[in-house]
Amino acid sequence: GAGVSQTPSNKVTEKGKYVELRCDPISGHTALYWYRQSLGQGPEFLIYFQGTGAADDSGLPNDRFFAVRPEGSVSTLKIQRTERGDSAVYLCASSSRTSGRDTQYFGPGTRLTVL
Amino acid sequence: QQQVKQSPQSLIVQKGGISIINCAYENTAFDYFPWYQQFPGKGPALLIAIRPDVSEKKEGRFTISFNKSAKQFSLHIMDSQPGDSATYFCAAISGGSNYKLTFGKGTLLTVNP
Repeated sequence: GAGVSQTPSNKVTEKGKYVELRCDPISGHTALYWYRQSLGQGPEFLIYFQGTGAADDSGLPNDRFFAVRPEGSVSTLKIQRTERGDSAVYLCASSSRTSGRDTQYFGPGTRLTVL
Repeated sequence: QQQVKQSPQSLIVQKGGISIINCAYENTAFDYFPWYQQFPGKGPALLIAIRPDVSEKKEGRFTISFNKSAKQFSLHIMDSQPGDSATYFCAAISGGSNYKLTFGKGTLLTVNP
């Protein structure tokens, strides 16, 4: 079946603009995660959804970042007033249950470049 | 504070050789240790994982060795192949938040033919 998909694959924006990044998880997966991967670094946790609710948003760097998952499937990561430091690859992952021992399947990511 | 330290940053191995990547952690609450493989332009993919009650786990050419007392674990890739060339990440999950992967910085492995 289809894996996790993310759109767009690349996004170039100007400092101060608003961006939305979309994630389509594997069908039936109730858990969804967002991570951010800066150049030369491992992915860093941003937020975790179980169903429609954000169970843990402790990794969001500040209040410019917000994510939603209104129907428990597709999720959108929203970044307001983008800064050059926001440039990174934003990865989405999904898994079938809440346990971390369940494999998290990652999408290919959205590469965000803030000029 | 980097919770999972990974070395080396990059590694070059000849085809057929053994690739060894090491990781160390400080947080004793970590109780599950997966390794991920990432190819350029792709997301990380789970390769193999281990729990701390086991000292070694082998799947095909990939083996994890785990030293709980030293809080260290390593990935060994036997008979390394050019197709293994990728970035490898060790990671950890704690029982308290058993969904949040904490990754190392990654090791870029190049296997020369």
